[in-house]
Amino acid sequence: DTAVSQTPKYLVTQMGNDKSIKCEQNLGHDTMYWYKQDSKKFLKIMFSYNNKELIINETVPNRFSPKSPDKAHLNLHINSLELGDSAVYFCASSQDVAGKTDTQYFGPGTRLTVL
Amino acid sequence: QKEVEQDPGPLSVPEGAIVSLNCTYSNSAFQYFMWYRQYSRKGPELLMYTYSSGNKEDGRFTAQVDKSSKYISLFIRDSQPSDSATYLCAMTLTGGGNKLTFGTGTQLKVEL
Repeated sequence: DTAVSQTPKYLVTQMGNDKSIKCEQNLGHDTMYWYKQDSKKFLKIMFSYNNKELIINETVPNRFSPKSPDKAHLNLHINSLELGDSAVYFCASSQDVAGKTDTQYFGPGTRLTVL
Repeated sequence: QKEVEQDPGPLSVPEGAIVSLNCTYSNSAFQYFMWYRQYSRKGPELLMYTYSSGNKEDGRFTAQVDKSSKYISLFIRDSQPSDSATYLCAMTLTGGGNKLTFGTGTQLKVEL
């Protein structure tokens, strides 16, 4: 039973294309996240949504647009892909408890390669 | 300079060794400290979680936080080949919600 799932697992595309990555969680969590992990394994948060509302928006190019149709799904759309966008993108989710930092559960990742 | 520094390794140890993994950080407001384990081609999974200073033990794993030195450690006793992975420290602020700041990760290899 997959808790946090992402599609696709691998994505190879040309510069300038537009692509989307989908994420779904079946844990009943309120909060979902997108992270980017570069080639040196550095993991950095990009966005966070709580009950479909954007709550964290780090310094990310506006070519990246998250969309949350419901609290179980958080998709990431990337316009005009660049070479530097090549990375592994992880989706995560957590139960939101006021004033408490809770465990984040990560998906398996989407390995994006821009040629 | 990154907010959280971690030696990337790789760190290679024989089976049964005690492993010490460390992170230093610059923001004294960090209050929650975590260690994640990431196997190759997988997502990170939470290993240990500590609030403020002190020690926490879970089986072969011990997490230590020294806020006065801005230094956290993860010790693995009786290391096994299955412990071979990248270990990422992470931390967050009080009231900072769930915005985790990660270290760069240390790659560990436990050899037979």
